[in-house]
Amino acid sequence: AQSVAQPEDQVNVAEGNPLTVKCTYSVSGNPYLFWYVQYPNRGLQFLLKYITGDNLVKGSYGFEAEFNKSQTSFHLKKPSALVSDSALYFCAVRPLGNEKLTFGTGTRLTIIP
Amino acid sequence: EAGVVQSPRYKIIEKKQPVAFWCNPISGHNTLYWYRQNLGQGPELLIRYENEEAVDDSQLPKDRFSAERLKGVDSTLKIQPAELGDSAVYLCASSLQRLAGELFFGEGSRLTVL
Repeated sequence: AQSVAQPEDQVNVAEGNPLTVKCTYSVSGNPYLFWYVQYPNRGLQFLLKYITGDNLVKGSYGFEAEFNKSQTSFHLKKPSALVSDSALYFCAVRPLGNEKLTFGTGTRLTIIP
Repeated sequence: EAGVVQSPRYKIIEKKQPVAFWCNPISGHNTLYWYRQNLGQGPELLIRYENEEAVDDSQLPKDRFSAERLKGVDSTLKIQPAELGDSAVYLCASSLQRLAGELFFGEGSRLTVL
């Protein structure tokens, strides 16, 4: 069975500082990995994905994520946080050849002005 | 391009009443998903359609939940009768298989069962 762990329920970062939201996964075979963001009372919005190739993936709004196969991690990063980045972030995984996308429990990111 | 459309956005009902949610996916997307998101949790898959065929409904509580996608386009999710524990946000999403799993979500239907 596939699973995703987001070890931090809440992450607080000062505006302008770098941010990291952690994600580790468990899956049989090669993974497809995703990050989604959810603003209050809105649906989930796609940020970025890792399918294959370069381990550093760049996505929307200046976010990037690094795939680390040995550590089974896919941490979300941004060099300089904005107040508007405050939202709920979800990591998700699906194995190659399987359509089922499994989400983590989410990390609430708060950027402090 | 229009996104995934869901209705209603909010619904408040008393327990034991029926409720239905509607979803219209992005045009041309053959895969449609219904997820349930409880407060403070990640979305959990209820059912996935490939065109009009339900290919994964293993997490759908079939005693009270039903879904259909008759013409392979829009879809309806029904709960009858609703229970207090069904209070959640019901999310619809769609995707093109060739996009390797990128799902596009609607804004969700928030259900409150009293």
